[in-house]
Amino acid sequence: DAKTTQPNSMESNEEEPVHLPCNHSTISGTDYIHWYRQLPSQGPEYVIHGLTSNVNNRMASLAIAEDRKSSTLILHRATLRDAAVYYCILRDGENYGGSQGNLIFGKGTKLSVKP
Amino acid sequence: KAGVTQTPRYLIKTRGQQVTLSCSPISGHRSVSWYQQTPGQGLQFLFEYFSETQRNKGNFPGRFSGRQFSNSRSEMNVSTLELGDSALYLCASSLGETGGTGAYEQYFGPGTRLTVT
Repeated sequence: DAKTTQPNSMESNEEEPVHLPCNHSTISGTDYIHWYRQLPSQGPEYVIHGLTSNVNNRMASLAIAEDRKSSTLILHRATLRDAAVYYCILRDGENYGGSQGNLIFGKGTKLSVKP
Repeated sequence: KAGVTQTPRYLIKTRGQQVTLSCSPISGHRSVSWYQQTPGQGLQFLFEYFSETQRNKGNFPGRFSGRQFSNSRSEMNVSTLELGDSALYLCASSLGETGGTGAYEQYFGPGTRLTVT
């Protein structure tokens, strides 16, 4: 299974941008890059995903390196509510029947937001 | 549109008993996946159902089973409960078959907290 590497923890100040990095040097051409976050005492929450091009939605932006070996989740203005564990996950877009298509969670990055 | 719902939210069972957890996906979603979350192992994939068929299975013993109904609702069952089965069990629904379509995001329910004593 393609794996991702994320820092264990990061800190940010409220209302400042946050850049959460993820390395995935063994990514295959059909792997989508997904980001989820989990707030305390809640189930994981979908944030954003992409394949090759940068993506934006109301929650965040996803910047994907040209070689796709790394990506960065960007929270444009961190709020206290953004304090959570953020997971970067690769999901195979083509291979069917194996476990690659399902979410394989690592340890993620624990983001703390200071007021 | 209503989100993923799971019942019950909390459950206490004793060793040796069995338990059934229920999940109702988002309307229109046909794929349901189950995950187990523990402090030690983190989030681990149990299995996925699509169109009433199990499509993928994680590395869990046969005591863990599930099924999906024609309305996409899903249940998972754990037989002969062990203390180590104490965990948060999460259900996630998706529009497509997650096993072959990495383009689809998953939406999680709040989970069922199972405590085995």
